[in-house]
Amino acid sequence: AQKITQTQPGMFVQEKEAVTLDCTYDTSDQSYGLFWYKQPSSGEMIFLIYQGSYDEQNATEGRYSLNFQKARKSANLVISASQLGDSAMYFCAMEFMKTSYDKVIFGPGTSLSVIP
Amino acid sequence: DTGVSQNPRHKITKRGQNVTFRCDPISEHNRLYWYRQTLGQGPEFLTYFQNEAQLEKSRLLSDRFSAERPKGSFSTLEIQRTEQGDSAMYLCASSRSTEYSSYEQYFGPGTRLTVT
Repeated sequence: AQKITQTQPGMFVQEKEAVTLDCTYDTSDQSYGLFWYKQPSSGEMIFLIYQGSYDEQNATEGRYSLNFQKARKSANLVISASQLGDSAMYFCAMEFMKTSYDKVIFGPGTSLSVIP
Repeated sequence: DTGVSQNPRHKITKRGQNVTFRCDPISEHNRLYWYRQTLGQGPEFLTYFQNEAQLEKSRLLSDRFSAERPKGSFSTLEIQRTEQGDSAMYLCASSRSTEYSSYEQYFGPGTRLTVT
């Protein structure tokens, strides 16, 4: 079965420091997209970064970068220069190209707290 | 681009009643998703539409749940004979994803359902 594991339920980082949020996944599918979303306490789900399973270069979006290691089935999110506004829940997600019962799966999330 | 909207934002209902939620996606997005999220968990995929066609439903989705997307525009999610276990946040999202390419999803603010 498809599954995403986020092993860090909670993380703390000092403001202006970098932090890595772990994401590993289990699938036998070859075609999928990997996403990271942020959900602040206000509740809205915000897209951060995307990596396609066939993309050879790691994705970057401003302060966010995705460390994609396909052979290890990991897609860690790196946030550089943390800001207080980065405090939120972070979810790793996958969307599979083929139509299936679990078309999109989310991990359990990591709660990030940025300390001033 | 006015974003994804959902109505109502909150719904309190008694066990056994039927409820219906509405989602208006971003107008140019052909794909629409429904999720359920409980406190402290990642979103759980329920179903999705490509234009007006409902392509798949989660195996977790009971027969009490039904969704429609007439004319490929807005979508409704109906829950019949609600149970207390249905209490959750129901999220709608839309994207430009196709069967060949995956794109980020834009989420609505959600409808919080409380079944008493």
